[in-house]
Amino acid sequence: DTGVSQDPRHKITKRGQNVTFRCDPISEHNRLYWYRQTLGQGPEFLTYFQNEAQLEKSRLLSDRFSAERPKGSFSTLEIQRTEQGDSAMYLCASRPPTRDTWVGELFFGEGSRLTVL
Amino acid sequence: AQTVTQSQPEMSVQEAETVTLSCTYDTSESDYYLFWYKQPPSRQMILVIRQEAYKQQNATENRFSVNFQKAAKSFSLKISDSQLGDAAMYFCAYRRGYDMRFGAGTRLTVKP
Repeated sequence: DTGVSQDPRHKITKRGQNVTFRCDPISEHNRLYWYRQTLGQGPEFLTYFQNEAQLEKSRLLSDRFSAERPKGSFSTLEIQRTEQGDSAMYLCASRPPTRDTWVGELFFGEGSRLTVL
Repeated sequence: AQTVTQSQPEMSVQEAETVTLSCTYDTSESDYYLFWYKQPPSRQMILVIRQEAYKQQNATENRFSVNFQKAAKSFSLKISDSQLGDAAMYFCAYRRGYDMRFGAGTRLTVKP
């Protein structure tokens, strides 16, 4: 079990540039979540996939944010025309299908830290 | 909307002592999960303990236990015999369906 993997771990970009983050969930986890965490705050939900279907995206922060999970495995989160306010940690989490052994938790990656200059 | 409040931005405890972290939440639902996650510096969040709302018995995991008061919408975490490795940010979280919401966190310092 290699855990949830996120890439890159750190990204520094200039305002106005586009950035893309990748998340590889734990194998066999069919649900995948993106969160944003700003300094001094808890994670804030952005979007959610079940397999390749994006079931909730109304809480993406603006139309500059988009996410995909084309084959139901890895996912990407793209931020277009970055702004300084986008600087944050972007966390990915996954969970398995509901079954008796699952205790309700999400499994988090280490996050991708974005700094917009 | 469901909200989670952690009223203690920072807490400190002496090694081997006991500390309690507070969490309150707001919901109109009766079926949900509550969690405490630990986030060490520059590391991923890991689950410490979880509680299903329909269970009256408080969850316990080794040195970690919760005091779940459903009517008061309170979910505190007690850490017994604190260890240096317990130093981290602790987040209380509420989940119903896909929606997991977090408090702002409590930074726990453990003094040797």
